[in-house]
Amino acid sequence: DAGITQSPRHKVTETGTPVTLRCHQTENHRYMYWYRQDPGHGLRLIHYSYGVKDTDKGEVSDGYSVSRSKTEDFLLTLESATSSQTSVYFCAISDRQYRTDTQYFGPGTRLTVL
Amino acid sequence: KQEVTQIPAALSVPEGENLVLNCSFTDSAIYNLQWFRQDPGKGLTSLLLIQSSQREQTSGRLNASLDKSSGRSTLYIAASQPGDSATYLCAPSTGNQFYFGTGTSLTVIP
Repeated sequence: DAGITQSPRHKVTETGTPVTLRCHQTENHRYMYWYRQDPGHGLRLIHYSYGVKDTDKGEVSDGYSVSRSKTEDFLLTLESATSSQTSVYFCAISDRQYRTDTQYFGPGTRLTVL
Repeated sequence: KQEVTQIPAALSVPEGENLVLNCSFTDSAIYNLQWFRQDPGKGLTSLLLIQSSQREQTSGRLNASLDKSSGRSTLYIAASQPGDSATYLCAPSTGNQFYFGTGTSLTVIP
């Protein structure tokens, strides 16, 4: 299994509070992604990173920011959490090399915003 | 924007049956397509990756095909087992992004 960890694994917070989720990889892969998974919507891309300090928006980026100061860490921040951000968040990594362009996923973080 | 559809949404089969899961996508200019399985409450596990230049990829009892021009991929599971019960998702990639279908929930009945 690819070395990807997510922390925390579960979090309950209140509306209006800031929340930061962390993704850590030991594979030295260039690309890192944050997705959210909701019933009826499948996985939707929030933000991704293609290198240290290089990030771009995905399909559902409003209300989220990211940072990547080291190859191994990708942080997702909810500046002011809302109930609509209650979801399961997955981090993924990819090397984006031809024939090895496989995505590997972390175990997920279940976030509940009350 | 890439739209991905997976049919059927749910499937229940007796053990030992061969089955086919379908995936269709709207933008045929894909880089590759990946099939995953997801067990309840877990992350996604990669099953097969098909490059855009390939038509098939096999791993054990799994065979995935890709018809890029028609925007379709299928996942064939031979001799299904109860341990195959999970949700199966396909994800074509376009540029730097992967797009996911909502998956097919498979139940294999012993």
